[in-house]
Amino acid sequence: AQSVTQLGSHVSVSEGALVLLRCNYSSSVPPYLFWYVQYPNQGLQLLLKYTSAATLVKGINGFEAEFKKSETSFHLTKPSAHMSDAAEYFCAVSERGANSKLTFGKGITLSVRP
Amino acid sequence: EAQVTQNPRYLITVTGKKLTVTCSQNMNHEYMSWYRQDPGLGLRQIYYSMNVEVTDKGDVPEGYKVSRKEKRNFPLILESPSPNQTSLYFCASSSPPRGVPEAFFGQGTRLTVV
Repeated sequence: AQSVTQLGSHVSVSEGALVLLRCNYSSSVPPYLFWYVQYPNQGLQLLLKYTSAATLVKGINGFEAEFKKSETSFHLTKPSAHMSDAAEYFCAVSERGANSKLTFGKGITLSVRP
Repeated sequence: EAQVTQNPRYLITVTGKKLTVTCSQNMNHEYMSWYRQDPGLGLRQIYYSMNVEVTDKGDVPEGYKVSRKEKRNFPLILESPSPNQTSLYFCASSSPPRGVPEAFFGQGTRLTVV
């Protein structure tokens, strides 16, 4: 069975600081991995996805994530936080060949201080 | 514009009064699903559908029904809502099961059952 662990529920950074949101997954087969962002009162928007090509994946709004099989991790980073990055972030996993089911982590709220 | 449309966005109802939340997608996706989002629990899948007339239970199906009579529509039915179904609901659709299951989400329906 697949699962996702996002440690902590809230991360606070200063504007211009590095953003690091952690995600660890469990999967019995090579997975697809995703990061979604949810702005207040909106649906989820795809930030980036890992599909087995490059292990370093670049997404929208300057975010990127690195797939590390040995660590079963897919951490999300951004070199310099902007106030507009304040949102909730979800990591999700889907096993290949499965029924497209996405299993989500519990989410992390990112706050950006001026 | 590719989109998933949910209605209504907000709904307050009383215990036991049947309700339906509609979901429609214009991307010709085969796979559709419903999630509920609760604080600290992330998104949990309620039901999913792999194609017309094919539906199956997700992780938290109790108290919900779905139908898939047309490819574009996937309504969520609460026949006798209870207060523990107060939540934020999302409909999602994604590309065919054998492809990368990148999900597109609706804007959400905030349901309150009193």
